[in-house]
Amino acid sequence: EAQVTQNPRYLITVTGKKLTVTCSQNMNHEYMSWYRQDPGLGLRQIYYSMNVEVTDKGDVPEGYKVSRKEKRNFPLILESPSPNQTSLYFCASRGSVGETQYFGPGTRLLVL
Amino acid sequence: DAKTTQPPSMDCAEGRAANLPCNHSTISGNEYVYWYRQIHSQGPQYIIHGLKNNETNEMASLIITEDRKSSTLILPHATLRDTAVYYCIVRVRRGNQFYFGTGTSLTVIP
Repeated sequence: EAQVTQNPRYLITVTGKKLTVTCSQNMNHEYMSWYRQDPGLGLRQIYYSMNVEVTDKGDVPEGYKVSRKEKRNFPLILESPSPNQTSLYFCASRGSVGETQYFGPGTRLLVL
Repeated sequence: DAKTTQPPSMDCAEGRAANLPCNHSTISGNEYVYWYRQIHSQGPQYIIHGLKNNETNEMASLIITEDRKSSTLILPHATLRDTAVYYCIVRVRRGNQFYFGTGTSLTVIP
């Protein structure tokens, strides 16, 4: 089954403790992206990647890092999480010729 | 990419057509109109996209005005499962950046 998976689905952490949210897709897609969703602000793009070793900033990249060492994986790294990064995070992927962006199930992060 | 304006919420009776409007007055000639929807807090789901001609698929129809400054997503026979937040996005085809905005919360009423 074609899908985008994220782990963990729920995470509670404390300020300053580094964490990584993993994202993996099994559709051989070139394009992957991370979003955060906050009440009243909708979905905002954090980072995206056009292919392996090619990444670029979205609208709200501050406080986040990403890497794309393999085509299927696109982890989101919070080196020093802060409470304002408490949010619902979505990973997505799209093929180079496809129009449809496929989204993962989301990761709820709470930073205390 | 051009920004969009959508009403924050709408209601629709079950079985009736739901017409969701979107304004994109600053759209450029090479920008497409895309629609996604999000049910509860699940990942958004692609619905349809178009450039200037009206489009229809198994889920919905997309009507784009001649000047391309606005569009309407039509769900022909709304069901309770269509209750969701609907996002109108304008961007270049296969562009890298997506601006979702806050969307329209559609409630289908029994």
